[in-house]
Formats: sequence, structure tokens, C-alpha cells
Amino acid sequence: SQKIEQNSEALNIQEGKTATLTCNYTNYSPAYLQWYRQDPGRGPVFLLLIRENEKEKRKERLKVTFDTTLKQSLFHITASQPADSATYLCALSSGYSTLTFGKGTMLLVSP
Amino acid sequence: EAGVAQSPRYKIIEKRQSVAFWCNPISGHATLYWYQQILGQGPKLLIQFQNNGVVDDSQLPKDRFSAERLKGVDSTLKIQPAKLEDSAVYLCASSSIGSRNTIYFGEGSWLTVV
Repeated sequence: SQKIEQNSEALNIQEGKTATLTCNYTNYSPAYLQWYRQDPGRGPVFLLLIRENEKEKRKERLKVTFDTTLKQSLFHITASQPADSATYLCALSSGYSTLTFGKGTMLLVSP
Repeated sequence: EAGVAQSPRYKIIEKRQSVAFWCNPISGHATLYWYQQILGQGPKLLIQFQNNGVVDDSQLPKDRFSAERLKGVDSTLKIQPAKLEDSAVYLCASSSIGSRNTIYFGEGSWLTVV
């Protein structure tokens, strides 16, 4: 069955460091992959989309990579700030199907 | 631009009671989604509408959940009768046809079934 795996343990890092979150998937051929941010008590907010034929996408301090051979996406936040603390969700779609979300990874950035 | 509006924000009901959630999508968005998010889990799609037609309701527990989108704008999600395991956040989201890839979520309706 299709599976999306994100680290269930929270990632704790110090302010100024680069945070790297991982999204692995199995039994899936996604046309694109998305990353969302979710703050406690709020709905998810779209951050970045990367297509299957793209290796890397950047937006300000955010960078996403997509390796369809490894079936993995990495999400990086450079120069992290306490305000970056949130849960980050990975979501995949085969293009015609709806988005399927992972469980998310909580990021905690300490001052 | 106004975001996706949902109400009520919080609801506590006893098991076997019924509850209804309302959603108003972003103006002009043809596609509307209802997701269920249980604590510690990612959102799970319950139903997707395109205008007022159902595109995907394969994960909607149809014996107790129903949803409608009259006139292709607002939508309601109803649960009757509620079970303890229905305790979750019900997220409404919308997207435009031209940009199906980007989904905009509301703040969610928190349901506790006791």
C-alpha cells in the first residue's frame, strides 16, 4: 500500500542552524510533492511545490529537493529562527489524484 | 483576499448525537475539500467537490458522514450519529481550477465526542 513517512520525533535545533526534514514514500509515483507548515490550532499553509522532473526548488530560506530514485524529498530551512517552529507536512499527488499527506514532523528552534 | 471560513471552531457533543460544520471557500475557487485530521496525524481527505459535483468521496464513512455543496459555493459536513473516534479537526480547503496544486486551508473545526 502507498506510504508516506516523515520523522515522528521532533527535530530540535539551535537558532541560526539549518533544519533538514525528510519525507520518504513507497508504492507511489508522485507527479509532484508539496510541503506545508502547520502551527498549533491552525490549518496547514502551503510553502513549496516541486515536480517530478525538478531536482531542487528554492524560496527565500527554504529549499526542497526531490529524488524520485531514492523516493525521498528533503526540506531545508537555512538560518532557522524560533518563528520557524511548527509542524511541517509533506504531501504527494500523482497528478490526477488528490493530495495524500504524511503525519508531519515537528520542528523546534531554540534561541 | 478573504481566506477559507469555517464554523463552528469548537464543538463538544455526546456520542450518538449529530453535528454539522459549515465552510465558505475562497471566492472563485471551484474545488472544495473536507479533510479530517486526528491528533498527531496528517490530514486525511474525506470528500472533494468540483463546483457542486463530488470528485472523490472514497474515504468518507457514508454510513454516518454526509456532505453537500449546494450552488457550488458553501458546503456543510454532517456527522450523524457521532462516535468517539470522530474526535478530530475537520479542515475545509479550496483551490482554483487553474491552480489545482495549491490548496488553501481554513482554520478547522475542532470536534470532541464524549
